[in-house]
Amino acid sequence: NAGVTQTPKFRILKIGQSMTLQCTQDMNHNYMYWYRQDPGMGLKLIYYSVGAGITDKGEVPNGYNVSRSTTEDFPLRLELAAPSQTSVYFCASSSRQGAISYQETQYFGPGTRLLVL
Amino acid sequence: DAKTTQPNSMESNEEEPVHLPCNHSTISGTDYIHWYRQLPSQGPEYVIHGLTSNVNNRMASLAIAEDRKSSTLILHRATLRDAAVYYCILRENLGYALNFGKGTSLLVTP
Repeated sequence: NAGVTQTPKFRILKIGQSMTLQCTQDMNHNYMYWYRQDPGMGLKLIYYSVGAGITDKGEVPNGYNVSRSTTEDFPLRLELAAPSQTSVYFCASSSRQGAISYQETQYFGPGTRLLVL
Repeated sequence: DAKTTQPNSMESNEEEPVHLPCNHSTISGTDYIHWYRQLPSQGPEYVIHGLTSNVNNRMASLAIAEDRKSSTLILHRATLRDAAVYYCILRENLGYALNFGKGTSLLVTP
C-alpha cells in the first residue's frame, strides 16, 4: 500500500493564481482531511470529508474549496492565491465508524509545500 | 476543548530512554490521550493512544497518571531516527480535527 499520496511536493504560485493540490489514499478509508501547517506551528484543519460526496468546513476554510467524487481522491482547490496561504499542506485519511472519534487514527501524506509570492 | 501542555524541547542521548511529559489538567472522563510525531519534512504519524491504563506498542509506551491529569510518552531506547516533534493530543468522542499544539521537539545526540 502506498498509503496517502500528495502531489505536487512543492509549488511556487504568484498572487492571484489558482491551483489544485491532489490527495489520494489506497486504504479504502471513508474519512479524509486537509490540514495546513504554518512555520513553527501545529496543524489546522481546513476541510474534511466523511465519504464520497460529503464535505464540510474545518477551522480555516477561507480561500479554499474541496470536492470528493470518489472514496480515494480528495483534491484541495486554491482560488486567487494570497501570501497568507504560504504553508505546508497535509492530507490525511482514516477509517472510523460514524461520529465516534476517540480511538480514530489519522494517516498523513508527506505534504505539499506551497509558496505564494 | 481540553488543552495540553508540553515542554518546547527536550534532548536525549542515543540508546537512552526518553520520557516526554504532557499535562492535561482539564481532561474529561471520556477523552482519549493520543500521541503523534512528525519527523523533519514529513507528515505526522500516529504513535500510541490510551484512556486510563498504561499502553505499550512496538514504537513506545504510554504511562497515564492515576488522576489522568498528565501522561508520559516513553521511548525505551532513543535512536537518531526518533528526532522529531512529538504531539500530545486529547480526543473527544466527537469531532474531526486533531488539535495539534506546538509539541515537544526532541533532539537525539549520538
